[in-house]
Amino acid sequence: DTGVSQDPRHKITKRGQNVTFRCDPISEHNRLYWYRQTLGQGPEFLTYFQNEAQLEKSRLLSDRFSAERPKGSFSTLEIQRTEQGDSAMYLCASSLGQGEAFFGQGTRLTVV
Amino acid sequence: AQTVTQSQPEMSVQEAETVTLSCTYDTSESDYYLFWYKQPPSRQMILVIRQEAYKQQNATENRFSVNFQKAAKSFSLKISDSQLGDAAMYFCAYRETSYGGSQGNLIFGKGTKLSVKP
Repeated sequence: DTGVSQDPRHKITKRGQNVTFRCDPISEHNRLYWYRQTLGQGPEFLTYFQNEAQLEKSRLLSDRFSAERPKGSFSTLEIQRTEQGDSAMYLCASSLGQGEAFFGQGTRLTVV
Repeated sequence: AQTVTQSQPEMSVQEAETVTLSCTYDTSESDYYLFWYKQPPSRQMILVIRQEAYKQQNATENRFSVNFQKAAKSFSLKISDSQLGDAAMYFCAYRETSYGGSQGNLIFGKGTKLSVKP
């Protein structure tokens, strides 16, 4: 297992298009988190899964955002009708319970 | 709501010297975790050091150590014998314990960009 992987690493999309990102956590990790990081800021929490259940969503997660984690394995984050303000790095992290969170390298989204 | 503040956007240190990065936080909880994460350019964030609030002893990991002042809500990171590979963004982060019903998400500061001069 090589850690948390995210795909794609970079995505450029036109405003109004839908985009989907994927996160593959460390295999035995039951918790999975999505964060958003904009330039000059620290990561901000978006949503959290324990196994397949989405247990918490930040108010940052507008109704254009949806996340899934079918079967408690990989997770997807979809943004519908992208806006320029959605441009950011989207980070995924996983942990085993309350243990250390391991981060992926992120997906950098640019909305033009 | 909990907040984390890093007041130094950028810091610079000479190779082999020591540098201290500052972090303050605000919480009404008595038990929590504090972390320092390192984010090198174009690479993933990795954990540098972790401190549990109920432990009075400051955490150390090789060249990295913290100065945890619970009453002052201060959590600084000291890097000794700085190396070129230490150059990165450093983020201070806070997390509640599970006893408070927390889901375990991290609350980050804005980060400090550390440059190491040869």
